[in-house]
Amino acid sequence: DAGVIQSPRHEVTEMGQEVTLRCKPISGHDYLFWYRQTMMRGLELLIYFNNNVPIDDSGMPEDRFSAKMPNASFSTLKIQPSEPRDSAVYFCASSGGRGTYEQYFGPGTRLTVT
Amino acid sequence: AQSVTQPDIHITVSEGASLELRCNYSYGATPYLFWYVQSPGQGLQLLLKYFSGDTLVQGIKGFEAEFKRSQSSFNLRKPSVHWSDAAEYFCAVEPDSSYKLIFGSGTRLLVRP
Repeated sequence: DAGVIQSPRHEVTEMGQEVTLRCKPISGHDYLFWYRQTMMRGLELLIYFNNNVPIDDSGMPEDRFSAKMPNASFSTLKIQPSEPRDSAVYFCASSGGRGTYEQYFGPGTRLTVT
Repeated sequence: AQSVTQPDIHITVSEGASLELRCNYSYGATPYLFWYVQSPGQGLQLLLKYFSGDTLVQGIKGFEAEFKRSQSSFNLRKPSVHWSDAAEYFCAVEPDSSYKLIFGSGTRLLVRP
């Protein structure tokens, strides 16, 4: 398996623009997680899905952030409009759930908002 | 408040020396416990995990960790460090079977030749 795939790996955009980050989880995994990593706040869970349904989005910082999972093999995290403080590395992770619990992380998307 | 503390921001050890990275948590009950490693520009990789049972757990790459309930600690150890172990290490907990991983702030390991 190719592991968790994220695109793009790097994104540079101007303040006010819409940004869409993409994730393909490992085939057969039924949990998908979005994290944000910054120097100031470390690694934070933003939202997670189970069987394509959002379970907990309490970590989503504000309404500018939204996440979707239209099917088992694809998820997006969208920021609209983007702000400089959104600059961070965004990780997607997937898991096979309880019993085989381990979250497999993608390589991340480094977002820079100027 | 629930928290995970990694008190050492940086640690430098010589290649071949032993290593211990500290992790303390504050939760009412024993959560699930994890150690992850992050190499530069990479995602996180799970080293080992503790759910229950034997308090000394073995992981990949020669790492082990010991859960001590009385100290609310889950320290990571390795008897002999290799230069390739230089990376950032994160302790994480999953409280209350919530599926939500709470990460510590990380410890950056530097290895002297």
